[in-house]
Amino acid sequence: KQEVTQIPAALSVPEGENLVLNCSFTDSAIYNLQWFRQDPGKGLTSLLLIQSSQREQTSGRLNASLDKSSGRSTLYIAASQPGDSATYLCAVGINDYKLSFGAGTTVTVRA
Amino acid sequence: NAGVTQTPKFQVLKTGQSMTLQCAQDMNHEYMSWYRQDPGMGLRLIHYSVGAGITDQGEVPNGYNVSRSTTEDFPLRLLSAAPSQTSVYFCASSPDLLWVGYTFGSGTRLTVV
Repeated sequence: KQEVTQIPAALSVPEGENLVLNCSFTDSAIYNLQWFRQDPGKGLTSLLLIQSSQREQTSGRLNASLDKSSGRSTLYIAASQPGDSATYLCAVGINDYKLSFGAGTTVTVRA
Repeated sequence: NAGVTQTPKFQVLKTGQSMTLQCAQDMNHEYMSWYRQDPGMGLRLIHYSVGAGITDQGEVPNGYNVSRSTTEDFPLRLLSAAPSQTSVYFCASSPDLLWVGYTFGSGTRLTVV
């Protein structure tokens, strides 16, 4: 069974600092890996999707890397802003219909 | 706006009551899923569908039923609500999980008392 872990569970940084969020998974046989953002009381918004054959994806200030052999992905958010405060969820696509989720990292960016 | 629409947004049920959570998407996606989110845990898959008329169980299907009579709709039925079903429920859809990924609805917060 695929286990997805996100450490730390919570993170607080001053505005302007770069954010580094970690995701680890136990089974390297994945289809893809997706990073989501969740605001309080809201649904999930997809941020980045990395295919299993890719090493990284970038969108604006966001960069996500994938190392299947070590079972790790990292989401980098450059020059954090208070608007980046949210919970970030990592999800591994383990076949063509199912995602296995981590519990998330709650980020607070202090102004 | 195109997307995944869930209703209701909030619901309080008494133990033993039944209800249906609605999910509709207007993107002509084949894949649809229901997840539940509990504090400190990742989202867990309840049921999923790979197309109209086709459904299957996920990780935590007990106490829930689904059907998929059309491409657009994927309702989740709670047969006899229990306090353990207090959770936030999310519906998601995708044309092809491999290449595009999922689009999620805004969720239904359910409390069973």
